[in-house]
Amino acid sequence: DAKTTQPPSMDCAEGRAANLPCNHSTISGNEYVYWYRQIHSQGPQYIIHGLKNNETNEMASLIITEDRKSSTLILPHATLRDTAVYYCIVRPRNSGYALNFGKGTSLLVTP
Amino acid sequence: GAVVSQHPSWVICKSGTSVKIECRSLDFQATTMFWYRQFPKQSLMLMATSNEGSKATYEQGVEKDKFLINHASLTLSTLTVTSAHPEDSSFYICSLVGLAGRDEQFFGPGTRLTVL
Repeated sequence: DAKTTQPPSMDCAEGRAANLPCNHSTISGNEYVYWYRQIHSQGPQYIIHGLKNNETNEMASLIITEDRKSSTLILPHATLRDTAVYYCIVRPRNSGYALNFGKGTSLLVTP
Repeated sequence: GAVVSQHPSWVICKSGTSVKIECRSLDFQATTMFWYRQFPKQSLMLMATSNEGSKATYEQGVEKDKFLINHASLTLSTLTVTSAHPEDSSFYICSLVGLAGRDEQFFGPGTRLTVL
């Protein structure tokens, strides 16, 4: 899997948009960008994934740059319950392999 | 999404005893399950890949004789930590893959193991 780089921590005020960046400059053409998050002492939770087009679901939006070397996960209206570690992972789709979790970004949403 | 359960959610045991952790898929059949562990303030690390009806594949550095994995059915995988020691204290998490038409993995809530 391609290596990703994320800031170790970020803060966001409740109600504001949280924009979490991820660099994946060595991503291959067949690799997708996946985002998971882990709330303290819980199992990780899938958020969203994409190849090259921007994606949106009920949880978040994913913006991937045209060269695919970086992406941004956007939580449009962060709540206190969004405080978690967010992991950006790149891998081929439907590969059936385990996820390679890096260190992620610890997001703290403050009142 | 798929519902994955783990039992127990936490366990405390004495050094030298064995502990079994169950991972169940409650609403779909999973041919592949993964076992991860997570030490405090660290990321998840893959321990092994478990395929129904076959022997598990272990990651480098994970002792297969110490961490016994049994994937006896499409809805149940078990991880047994044999002769547990304090350094085995960790958060153990399973995940399932392969829900038809979807690519995300579904994780269990985790099991906190503390070995005294």
